[in-house]
Amino acid sequence: DGGITQSPKYLFRKEGQNVTLSCEQNLNHDAMYWYRQDPGQGLRLIYYSQIVNDFQKGDIAEGYSVSREKKESFPLTVTSAQKNPTAFYLCASRDPGGDGYTFGSGTRLTVV
Amino acid sequence: LAKTTQPISMDSYEGQEVNITCSHNNIATNDYITWYQQFPSQGPRFIIQGYKTKVTNEVASLFIPADRKSSTLSLPRVSLSDTAVYYCLVGELDGNNRLAFGKGNQVVVIP
Repeated sequence: DGGITQSPKYLFRKEGQNVTLSCEQNLNHDAMYWYRQDPGQGLRLIYYSQIVNDFQKGDIAEGYSVSREKKESFPLTVTSAQKNPTAFYLCASRDPGGDGYTFGSGTRLTVV
Repeated sequence: LAKTTQPISMDSYEGQEVNITCSHNNIATNDYITWYQQFPSQGPRFIIQGYKTKVTNEVASLFIPADRKSSTLSLPRVSLSDTAVYYCLVGELDGNNRLAFGKGNQVVVIP
């Protein structure tokens, strides 16, 4: 079945460490997105990529970095510069003209 | 990006029809209206999408008035498993468009 796979499901990080969240899709979608969700809040856009080797900052990009070397993969690195990284992170892809976003199951990141 | 406004929360009894509203006063000509459902600790899931009048699929109906400044998602005969956050998004279908998710509407189905 086609879909988006995010890993790991749970991730713990010590303060000052960088961590990378994985996002892989086999839907052949060009556009991919990373969102952050805090408790009781909506989704806020971190970064998005419309095509391989290209990406743009979203609304809350500070302290995060991404790469898009392959169409299938869009990893997100949470750097030590992100002051409040504990959150639920969601990756999505989108097919132009199709039925909207397809989301992964998310990664819950906790800083300890 | 067209902004949407939804009630924060609503309750409904099991077996009833639930109507969830969304306001989008500055919707553009090329914008479509899309609704998503999110359960706790999961990613949002596409429910339905429309441009005008009425759209129906196996899980919901979407009603859009002629001025398109609002829309209503209708869930027939809800069950406890329909308890979720429902998001209304407005934007073009082009995949390059970055849609904005607001806080959504928390719907709680009561036994």
